[in-house]
Amino acid sequence: KNEVEQSPQNLTAQEGEFITINCSYSVGISALHWLQQHPGGGIVSLFMLSSGKKKHGRLIATINIQEKHSSLHITASHPRDSAVYICAVEYGNKLVFGAGTILRVKS
Amino acid sequence: GAVVSQHPSRVICKSGTSVKIECRSLDFQATTMFWYRQFPKQSLMLMATSNEGSKATYEQGVEKDKFLINHASLTLSTLTVTSAHPEDSSFYICSALTHGQGGLDYGYTFGSGTRLTVV
Repeated sequence: KNEVEQSPQNLTAQEGEFITINCSYSVGISALHWLQQHPGGGIVSLFMLSSGKKKHGRLIATINIQEKHSSLHITASHPRDSAVYICAVEYGNKLVFGAGTILRVKS
Repeated sequence: GAVVSQHPSRVICKSGTSVKIECRSLDFQATTMFWYRQFPKQSLMLMATSNEGSKATYEQGVEKDKFLINHASLTLSTLTVTSAHPEDSSFYICSALTHGQGGLDYGYTFGSGTRLTVV
């Protein structure tokens, strides 16, 4: 069984701040996903990683396979970034989800 | 990009009745659909995996007679909560496995979710 741990659970930031959300997992995986869940519940896939680093706009995701760790960074944060960010790992042809990080960006 | 349309977004039903939730892939064929439930402030939990034309595979602890999944076509998968009870109140969301050109790339596209309240 793969355990997925995210930190922090809650994060409040001021607009413009650089934000980092961390994810650790316990067993080897085929890929790691970062997801964004909006207050209404809808989920958007942000990144899928199996190695290295990916960037999309102000979002950057990195993964270290040896350390079983991934980070999601948000540069120049904005109130519209407020959402729940979820780390999910692919393991045994299924996704196993972390508990999520509730991000609130204040203006 | 790939879009999964999920309906209804919210439903309130009486205890003992059945509720059907639909997920449609709008511009692609979804051979595999995953169904999840999410309790408040908790992570998503996989309920079952359905493949078009075959029986769904349920996760341990999920009652297959209570949560009926049908994936009869490549564009439609349904979850029916039968004889619903207040403890079934939850957020249900589907996710389709999507494939890129040549099948080399893949990803997951989520529906918008259904908030079920059983009274």
